[in-house]
Amino acid sequence: GAGVSQSPRYKVAKRGQDVALRCDPISGHVSLFWYQQALGQGPEFLTYFQNEAQLDKSGLPSDRFFAERPEGSVSTLKIQRTQQEDSAVYLCASSFRDRGYNEQFFGPGTRLTVL
Amino acid sequence: EDQVTQSPEALRLQEGESSSLNCSYTVSGLRGLFWYRQDPGKGPEFLFTLYSAGEEKEKERLKATLTKKESFLHITAPKPEDSATYLCAVRRNRDDKIIFGKGTRLHILP
Repeated sequence: GAGVSQSPRYKVAKRGQDVALRCDPISGHVSLFWYQQALGQGPEFLTYFQNEAQLDKSGLPSDRFFAERPEGSVSTLKIQRTQQEDSAVYLCASSFRDRGYNEQFFGPGTRLTVL
Repeated sequence: EDQVTQSPEALRLQEGESSSLNCSYTVSGLRGLFWYRQDPGKGPEFLFTLYSAGEEKEKERLKATLTKKESFLHITAPKPEDSATYLCAVRRNRDDKIIFGKGTRLHILP
């Protein structure tokens, strides 16, 4: 497809379970971003990749959150030992520019519910 | 502390009734201000980037303007399909971070 895709679209986890969320960016896009969007809030920055390098992970809320993009294309956001406060929509965005905050293309998000 | 405040939180308009959405910001060095549209169950869709006070950009029924402290998104003669949440975000100079507001939920009644 032409856009950013994310899977799964919905994920329900029991508290304490580990989850993995996948992002397929637009082919050839250099920059990849992860955001967390709580209900009724704007997206909050989690982490940024330039190709396979994770250049900024300052937004990750705890060491339970881990992201990777080993080959510079697909990215995975992993959350270990999920907590109820992790419930949110996780958005992935990509851009063809280095540090391409301008004109980011967002995926539809993964809605995570932690019971 | 850098922040972005959008008002109103929600707005209901009749079809054809023009209005404006506000985005007030405080940031230590503005590198760009963005407007996005977000439909339910979807990711944000880019609309505009503004860089300096006095700049204006237009797209169909939407016009975005920027001053040193705020931005407005003007909606002229809106249609029901303009119903969505409109997000404002700023990119700051010192670390290139992007900060989003909470959004304005716009509902256009036919």
